[in-house]
Amino acid sequence: GNSVTQMEGPVTLSEEAFLTINCTYTATGYPSLFWYVQYPGEGLQLLLKATKADDKGSNKGFEATYRKETTSFHLEKGSVQVSDSAVYFCALTTNTGNQFYFGTGTSLTVIP
Amino acid sequence: EPEVTQTPSHQVTQMGQEVILRCVPISNHLYFYWYRQILGQKVEFLVSFYNNEISEKSEIFDDQFSVERPDGSNFTLKIRSTKLEDSAMYFCASSRDNQETQYFGPGTRLLVL
Repeated sequence: GNSVTQMEGPVTLSEEAFLTINCTYTATGYPSLFWYVQYPGEGLQLLLKATKADDKGSNKGFEATYRKETTSFHLEKGSVQVSDSAVYFCALTTNTGNQFYFGTGTSLTVIP
Repeated sequence: EPEVTQTPSHQVTQMGQEVILRCVPISNHLYFYWYRQILGQKVEFLVSFYNNEISEKSEIFDDQFSVERPDGSNFTLKIRSTKLEDSAMYFCASSRDNQETQYFGPGTRLLVL
C-alpha cells in the first residue's frame, strides 16, 4: 500500500542551524512527493514538491530530493530562521488515485 | 493569491448532533477533498469529489458522512450523528486537476462532547 513515515518531533534548533527532517515512503505506482508546512493558526501550505526520481524540489531555502533507491524525500535547510517554526508534513500521491497520504508531521521550533 | 477558506474555525457539538462543515475551494479548481487529523495522528483522507459526485472515499467515510456542492462555490461535509471519535481537525482541499497539487484550507476543529 501507500504510506509515509516521517521523523518524529518535536525538533528544536537554534537560529542558523542546519535542518534535516527525514521522510521515507512506500508506494504503488509512480508517486509524486510533497512537503507541506503549517504555520500556527493556518492551513497546510505547499512548500515544495518533486514528481519523479532524482528531481529536487526547492523553495524558501528548503530543498528535498526524490530518491527512488532509498524511497526517501528528506527535507533540508542550511540555515533556519525563527520564522521557520511550524509543523512540516511529508506527503505523497500516486498515479493510481487522487488522495494524498501524509506523514504524522514534525513540529519545528527555532529559537533565537 | 486565491486560497481555500473554511467555516467555522471551531465547532463544539453534543454527541448525536448533526454538524455541517463548510468550505469555499479556489474558484477555478475542479477537484475537492476532505481530510481529517485526530490529535496526534496522521492527516487522513476522507473523500474526493469531482463533477458533482464522489470519485474516491476511504473506509472512514461511512454512511454518517456526506458531501455536497450546493451551489457554485461551497463544498460541505455533513456528519449526520456525531460520535466522540469524530473529534478532529477537518481540512478541505481543492486542486485544478487530478493528481496535481492540492491547496488546503486552515481547517475546522470539531469537538464532540
